[in-house]
Amino acid sequence: NAGVMQNPRHLVRRRGQEARLRCSPMKGHSHVYWYRQLPEEGLKFMVYLQKENIIDESGMPKERFSAEFPKEGPSILRIQQVVRGDSAAYFCASSPYSSGENQPQHFGDGTRLSIL
Amino acid sequence: DQQVKQNSPSLSVQEGRISILNCDYTNSMFDYFLWYKKYPAEGPTFLISISSIKDKNEDGRFTVFLNKSAKHLSLHIVPSQPGDSAVYFCATPGGTSYGKLTFGQGTILTVHP
Repeated sequence: NAGVMQNPRHLVRRRGQEARLRCSPMKGHSHVYWYRQLPEEGLKFMVYLQKENIIDESGMPKERFSAEFPKEGPSILRIQQVVRGDSAAYFCASSPYSSGENQPQHFGDGTRLSIL
Repeated sequence: DQQVKQNSPSLSVQEGRISILNCDYTNSMFDYFLWYKKYPAEGPTFLISISSIKDKNEDGRFTVFLNKSAKHLSLHIVPSQPGDSAVYFCATPGGTSYGKLTFGQGTILTVHP
């Protein structure tokens, strides 16, 4: 009964490179959320996806960031041309359907992205 | 604009005593709240939630109180244990129906043996 799996756990990139973060939701969960945590801050919502659909990307920076959740395989958060300010912990959460009462989101252990 | 605020960055308590973590919110339309606990290098873990139709929800050592008129909620842990030392976040889906969570900044709880 695996939980939400994120990989890699740590990712180091140089400025200008691309970063790909992967998230496999819990079994039976078809809703995925991505959050970012900057140092000394709380988690900030980035994007909400269902299979093959982006439902809400209001928290995503307008440039360089994209997300997908294909019919098969994990959800991917992609950051192109990374900059130092992208250094953060990126968390993925999943739920069986739209999170509401009694449907808390379950989080993975995150990917810590460091930009050199 | 911080819609959910945890004004105490840290809290230190003695083992066996009560820990009280506080959270304020700005929008009276918010009707569901959650508390998450987070250890270093791990993801947040769901602890307890409360709906606005209640003013209290209890689960073992954890109780959440909601004061709608004050737009304030609190998490009580009693008795506190050293293993409770972690960062605690309050969160709410706000006005969304699908759980896009808005988190407070977190409170670091340290329970001393």
